[in-house]
Amino acid sequence: AQKVTQAQTEISVVEKEDVTLDCVYETRDTTYYLFWYKQPPSGELVFLIRRNSFDEQNEISGRYSWNFQKSTSSFNFTITASQVVDSAVYFCALSDGETSGSRLTFGEGTQLTVNP
Amino acid sequence: DARVTQTPRHKVTEMGQEVTMRCQPILGHNTVFWYRQTMMQGLELLAYFRNRAPLDDSGMPKDRFSAEMPDATLATLKIQPSEPRDSAVYFCASGFALRPQQFFGPGTRLTVL
Repeated sequence: AQKVTQAQTEISVVEKEDVTLDCVYETRDTTYYLFWYKQPPSGELVFLIRRNSFDEQNEISGRYSWNFQKSTSSFNFTITASQVVDSAVYFCALSDGETSGSRLTFGEGTQLTVNP
Repeated sequence: DARVTQTPRHKVTEMGQEVTMRCQPILGHNTVFWYRQTMMQGLELLAYFRNRAPLDDSGMPKDRFSAEMPDATLATLKIQPSEPRDSAVYFCASGFALRPQQFFGPGTRLTVL
């Protein structure tokens, strides 16, 4: 069975601090995809990144970076120099690849609050 | 700019009433997902379709929920009769079969009094 764990329920930081959101996953599939979504107070789910199980290269996009480590089944997300607009709930998700139509299993989410 | 649309965006109803939520997937997408978000359960998959055929609806309470795709441009999720515990945000997402990317609609916020 698929499982995603985001152990941090809430994180509060002051603007310009760096913050890392943790994500640990479980799967028996050899091919799978990992995602991060942002849910701002308006409620929509905003796609941030997708990573497949064969690509362990870290990725950086502006202030965002992701660290994928298969050895520890982790896919952590770091925001550098956080801003108030980064305040949102962040979800890590796992897709079961080709076996079952790519449905997503979500983690519980991490509420990030960035204070001015 | 292709998007998944959902109607209504908000729905308030009384217990026992029928509720119908609609989703228009992105044109050309052949996979449609229904997710529900609650404070207690988080985001969970209710059902999904490929080429309009249901592949898995094991996440839905069978006695009161039903999901259909009357045609390729419309997916519906019905609750009859509704109960207060059904209060949640219901998201629809669409994508291509065997491709990992899903595109989410804005959600329908349902409140059952």
